[in-house]
Amino acid sequence: RKEVEQDPGPFNVPEGATVAFNCTYSNSASQSFFWYRQDCRKEPKLLMSVYSSGNEDGRFTAQLNRASQYISLLIRDSKLSDSATYLCEYFTGSTLGRLYFGRGTQLTVWP
Amino acid sequence: DTGVSQNPRHKITKRGQNVTFRCDPISEHNRLYWYRQTLGQGPEFLTYFQNEAQLEKSRLLSDRFSAERPKGSFSTLEIQRTEQGDSAMYLCASSPNSGVGTEAFFGQGTRLTVV
Repeated sequence: RKEVEQDPGPFNVPEGATVAFNCTYSNSASQSFFWYRQDCRKEPKLLMSVYSSGNEDGRFTAQLNRASQYISLLIRDSKLSDSATYLCEYFTGSTLGRLYFGRGTQLTVWP
Repeated sequence: DTGVSQNPRHKITKRGQNVTFRCDPISEHNRLYWYRQTLGQGPEFLTYFQNEAQLEKSRLLSDRFSAERPKGSFSTLEIQRTEQGDSAMYLCASSPNSGVGTEAFFGQGTRLTVV
């Protein structure tokens, strides 16, 4: 089983739509979770952190479900500029822990 | 610019040649990661360092790949006897070793093309 499972999509949605992505992880010791955005042929950039209590930043909401071991990203009122690949990442938090990335979910928002 | 810096940005090489990439992390970050990414895929883990110690190397990585971080600052990734399958974007990322809340900061990557 892969460390991180993420639906690669693609997700094609019209402007104004609400879209949600999930990412499951296998390591129950994982402590830190993040969503990154990656534009075509660019490096990934941090979008937002994910907390157990949920994290909202404008149109974006990230949530963590430890019991089911998944994180989610919800985008409301999609904009054309939201078109990108969204990567989930977690860190195991141990002394020798490291970062694990999902393969990314591709989103295309059309007018 | 105090971000992660990678050089060169692009590299075209003939099959069988050796190539070396450099990564300069954010200065106070003691974790440094190397990833490889091909089109439509997420970043594939190659190796990572905590200071100068290489803590893990992907089992998928052949012996042709080697990485160093001799003084715990910049790092180099060398690929010997390159193959066409090595063509990819090579990403470096750094993070502070603060445990919880550890996000990664990526460089712009080195795009390798093996012809």
